[in-house]
Amino acid sequence: DSGVTQTPKHLITATGQRVTLRCSPRSGDLSVYWYQQSLDQGLQFLIQYYNGEERAKGNILERFSAQQFPDLHSELNLSSLELGDSALYFCASSVANTVGIDEQYFGPGTRLTVT
Amino acid sequence: DQQVKQNSPSLSVQEGRISILNCDYTNSMFDYFLWYKKYPAEGPTFLISISSIKDKNEDGRFTVFLNKSAKHLSLHIVPSQPGDSAVYFCAGGGSQGNLIFGKGTKLSVKP
Repeated sequence: DSGVTQTPKHLITATGQRVTLRCSPRSGDLSVYWYQQSLDQGLQFLIQYYNGEERAKGNILERFSAQQFPDLHSELNLSSLELGDSALYFCASSVANTVGIDEQYFGPGTRLTVT
Repeated sequence: DQQVKQNSPSLSVQEGRISILNCDYTNSMFDYFLWYKKYPAEGPTFLISISSIKDKNEDGRFTVFLNKSAKHLSLHIVPSQPGDSAVYFCAGGGSQGNLIFGKGTKLSVKP
């Protein structure tokens, strides 16, 4: 158990809909990262938040947005869903070391199926 | 542009033998590298890391080697056990915060 929790575990929805994925980081971790894993693909970085502020953006679509709340949990919002958005979405957290290795710990993921 | 490449999608090894998983990278700016193990229906689990200023890091049965001149790293598992069967990802990290992952290598350890 990494200490990172994600809900829901599974989500099935229709094209055009909007969903929210939730992540609670490990106790003490200030940084949250969102990754997407599509079929036969590695993990693609979407976005990072640090202590409530957006810190880095990766290959995140404009239809997707995220935020980190004062209690440090984070939500990833996916809207106008398309079939191609079906994937595993992972959240990771870290202490966000600026010196040395900053290990990220991953949650169990949310499997999103868009029909 | 794939900054981190794992060119072997799969590897099969006999129990008790050595497993060697390879990873190549193109981005010289990585400050460190991490290896993760992933079982089906679970999130990636952190395994071992190495700083870009080191050439070797060892933790029990797992050793990671880094060859900066070749932009190559490898994970050695000795001895391999059936429970090691999983997908292994290498990732590069640095000041940018996020990790850049390879596509993974599926390791099968046969009893």
